[in-house]
This record gives sequence, C-alpha cells and structure tokens, in this order.
Amino acid sequence: QVQLQESGPGLVKPSQTLSLTCTVSGGSISSGGYYWSWIRQHPGKGLEWIGYIYYSGSTYYNPSLKSRVTISVDTSKNQFSLKLSSVTAADTAVYYCARGRGNCFDYWGQGTLVTVSS
Amino acid sequence: DIQMTQSPSSLSASVGDRVTITCQASQDISNYLNWYQQKPGKAPKLLIYDASNLETGVPSRFSGSGSGTDFTFTISSLQPEDIATYYCQQYDNLPSVAFGQGTKVEIK
Repeated sequence: QVQLQESGPGLVKPSQTLSLTCTVSGGSISSGGYYWSWIRQHPGKGLEWIGYIYYSGSTYYNPSLKSRVTISVDTSKNQFSLKLSSVTAADTAVYYCARGRGNCFDYWGQGTLVTVSS
Repeated sequence: DIQMTQSPSSLSASVGDRVTITCQASQDISNYLNWYQQKPGKAPKLLIYDASNLETGVPSRFSGSGSGTDFTFTISSLQPEDIATYYCQQYDNLPSVAFGQGTKVEIK
C-alpha cells in the first residue's frame, strides 16, 4: 500500500520561501508510469493544482504559480519536495502531496496546514 | 485554459435518495474527467476515473458518465457515510490540471 506523508514548517513569514517534503513509502518513486504532485486547498475553499514532477526530473507547473514554484525529487530518499517563494497570506492553505496515475491522483498524503504570518 | 463548471454547489437529500452532480467543461475534454470525495479534515479520495471507471474498492452505488463537455456523477442510494464534498477534475489540457468548485452533499 502506497503512503505519502508531507512534512515541513507549519508557519512561514511573508516574503519567505515555503518548503515542504513528501516522503513516499510502500512503493518506489522511481517506478515508471507515475508522477508526483502538489495540490493545495485554501481554508474552506476548493482544490488548486500546483504542479508535478516525474522521477526523471521533468516538471509541470500551474501557470498562475509557475514563477514562484520549484518541485524537485530525491530518488535516493524516495522523496519529492515543493518550494514556493515570496509567499503572502494568500498562500495560507493545506498542502497535499499526491501520486499521479494516468491522468488522475490515486494516493494522497493527509495534508499539512501552512500558515503565512509574521 | 479549460474552465470547469460544477453544479450544484450544495445539495441536501434523504438517505436512500439518488443524487446527481454535474460538471461541464468549456471545451471538449473527451473522457478525461475524474471524481473525488473529500470528507472534512481529510484528503480527497479518488472515486471515478476516466469519466466512468470505478476505482478499486469504491462502492458500486457511485458511478460516472459523460464525454466531451458534459459529465455526471451519481450516487444511486445516498448513505450517511457519503456526506462529503465532491470534486470533478479534468486533465485534457496537459500538462495542466483543474478541479471543479465542489459540491457539498448533506443529509436532509
């Protein structure tokens, strides 16, 4: 059973960089056919796709966030990471990591709340 | 960008009722449409992929249909444990992904 777990600071100051890591267990992040994604949900709101990465390192980002987002992968640790720069209060959200299969997301982490505040 | 319009935004139904949610795409997305269930405080759960395929382990009272621009998600007999928010998600415009606005389902 594949499991994903987000980790990282729950509080980030405005203008700083939000950094989160997703640890994958029960399966190799290097296995073909899957991609590794970040999705967020503002409090009480809907879901917003941030981007995803293949184990090869190829990345695709939401155009609305592209200038501030970097997703990377560490196959040796079976982890992938999100960096979101120049954050504001509008980036306060629950951040989920998820596994992409075909064109859907079949496994999700439990989510982690990140608050942007001084 | 492809826009997704999901309706209704909320609904209230009785246990045993048939519940239907629709999702409309602003352009043809073939069958590239998925449905998720999200319970409060939990991550979304994949229910239906490629418009009509039931994800493994998901009860058969859940179903999906449609292609092109118009899609429907149905719960054939609403159960108390189905109280949740349901989202559609499209991916035709790869490498971009978009979710619908969500439908909150409550028990009457």
